[in-house]
Amino acid sequence: DAGVIQSPRHEVTEMGQEVTLRCKPISGHNSLFWYRQTMMRGLELLIYFNNNVPIDDSGMPEDRFSAKMPNASFSTLKIQPSEPRDSAVYFCASTRNGVNYGYTFGSGTRLTVV
Amino acid sequence: EDQVTQSPEALRLQEGESSSLNCSYTVSGLRGLFWYRQDPGKGPEFLFTLYSAGEEKEKERLKATLTKKESFLHITAPKPEDSATYLCATGSGNTGKLIFGQGTTLQVKP
Repeated sequence: DAGVIQSPRHEVTEMGQEVTLRCKPISGHNSLFWYRQTMMRGLELLIYFNNNVPIDDSGMPEDRFSAKMPNASFSTLKIQPSEPRDSAVYFCASTRNGVNYGYTFGSGTRLTVV
Repeated sequence: EDQVTQSPEALRLQEGESSSLNCSYTVSGLRGLFWYRQDPGKGPEFLFTLYSAGEEKEKERLKATLTKKESFLHITAPKPEDSATYLCATGSGNTGKLIFGQGTTLQVKP
């Protein structure tokens, strides 16, 4: 199993540009989560999907952030326009049948907005 | 408000010096207490899930325990390769989301 695959691993962009982060969950996992990690705030849940449907997006910081999951094997997190305070490591995680099985995290995308 | 607090923030041990990491939680409707290990530049790696007070789980030099208000991760005779950040998290209510603590960064010196 290749695990949860995220791309790109690193992204450097200028303020105001659109950024798209991508995630491929583990095959057979039906829940997908997007987290953001910073030194100040730790790991914060942004949004999660169950069976491709967004369940809770209360952690999405602003309307500049949007996420989609068009099918069971792909999800995107988009920031438009990006700002320097969006700089962080963004993780995607997946699991089967909800919380009880624990998440499997991807390796993350380190985003730097200059 | 659901909350997870870990202590200490950082811990330095000599190889072979046993110690414990603490995770205190306040959450309505606990649906599991999770421990993860995170190495620099990588995503968190799942270690344990505990569900009820008194439960214990072990993996190599690590043992996790759970009470009604806190969990401990005991590290027995650590080695340098145990150096990492250890995160705990709680599942809450009927949602699928986890609430993470800030983590404890462990450094084990040879």
